[in-house]
Formats: sequence, C-alpha cells, structure tokens
Amino acid sequence: QVTLKESGPALVKPTQTLTLTCTFSGFSPISSKMRASWIRQPPGKALEWLARIDWDDEKFYSPSLKTRLTISQVTSKNQVVLKMTNMDPVDTATYYCAVGLHGDDYFDYWGQGTLVTVSS
Amino acid sequence: EIVLTQSPATLSLSPGERATLSCRASQSIASDYLAWYQQKPGQAPRLLIFDASYRATGIPARFSGSGSGTDFTLTISSLEPEDFAVYYCQQRRSWPRTFGHGTKVDIK
Repeated sequence: QVTLKESGPALVKPTQTLTLTCTFSGFSPISSKMRASWIRQPPGKALEWLARIDWDDEKFYSPSLKTRLTISQVTSKNQVVLKMTNMDPVDTATYYCAVGLHGDDYFDYWGQGTLVTVSS
Repeated sequence: EIVLTQSPATLSLSPGERATLSCRASQSIASDYLAWYQQKPGQAPRLLIFDASYRATGIPARFSGSGSGTDFTLTISSLEPEDFAVYYCQQRRSWPRTFGHGTKVDIK
C-alpha cells in the first residue's frame, strides 16, 4: 500500500525559509522509478505544480519559483524534501506531495497535504 | 507555459444527469498527455483519467475522457452523489506542468 505524508511547520514568518518533508512507504523509489512532485493549493484556489525529483535524482522546477526552491531526496529515509526561501503571505497554501510510479508522469498517489500559513 | 482553460467554472446538475467538462489548451498537447483529477473538500486530488482517455485504476466506467490537440472533455455519464466535486485537468506535455483552474460540479 502506497502512502505519503507531508510534514513541516504550520506557520512561518515572512522572509523565512520553509522546509517540508514528504515521507513515503509502500514502494522503492529506484525500482518503482519514482517521480515525486510538490504541488500547492492556496485556500479556495487551483493547484500549482512546484518541483519534481526523479528516482535518478533528476530535478525540475517551476520557472516562476525556481530561484526560491530546492528539492532533494533522502533515500535512506524514504523522504523527499522541499525548501522554499523568502516566504511571503501569498505562499500561504496547502502543500501536497504526489508521486508517479513505474515511470508514470502523472500524479498517481497524493499525500493528505499540509497547510502552511505565512504571517508575522 | 501551456495554459489550460476549463469551462464552465461551475456546473449545476442533478444526480443521474450527464456532466460534460471542457479543458482547452493554449497550444497543442501532443500525444494527448492530459489528465483529469477529482478533488473533494478537504481531500487531496485523485487521478481519474490519464493520456486523455485512459481510466486510472479503480475509476468507475461512468467517467470517460476524450479529445486531442487543444480540446479535451471529461464526461460523467450519470452523476452519482459522490461525484459532486471539483475537477482539474493537467498537462504533462511540457514544462512547467500546469493545471486548469477547475470546474465545480455541484448539486442543482
């Protein structure tokens, strides 16, 4: 059974760096050819793709946020980590981790999401 | 960036009725690299359709996808109570991956 769970702070201050962790289970990243993305959704708004890391450590970023994002993986812990610098109130959103497996380039499995509020 | 425009924004229908949702792309999505997701309040999205017309595992046959190029459609043949939700299209043809702004299907 594939599961993903996001963790991180619920509240960050403007200009701070946000670090989110996605911990997954039920598959091996390499043998399943994992493609793990972070996607966010401001309250009442649409989904926005942020970044992706593949099983072979190839990385992709949203051009509009590229300078602020870093995605990485900790294979030994079955984790994918997203760092976003210089947080602003407009970054308030639910942040989701989602993966495609077996080479799939869609979001087959999702975590429950974690709401991050940016406020002083 | 490929912009996906979904219409209508809201679709008000009754259980048992047919729902037709549209997703139009700003440029051709070759190889039909388009997916549809369903999202219910307080939940993560769920993959329904991939590559424009293939149902994901466990998705009921009342959901179907069609289209190619720049125009795609999600059809729900007969709405069940659990189908009232927001639906998003998403493309994987080019970077960045993009989603439409969603169509809300609500109860009339």
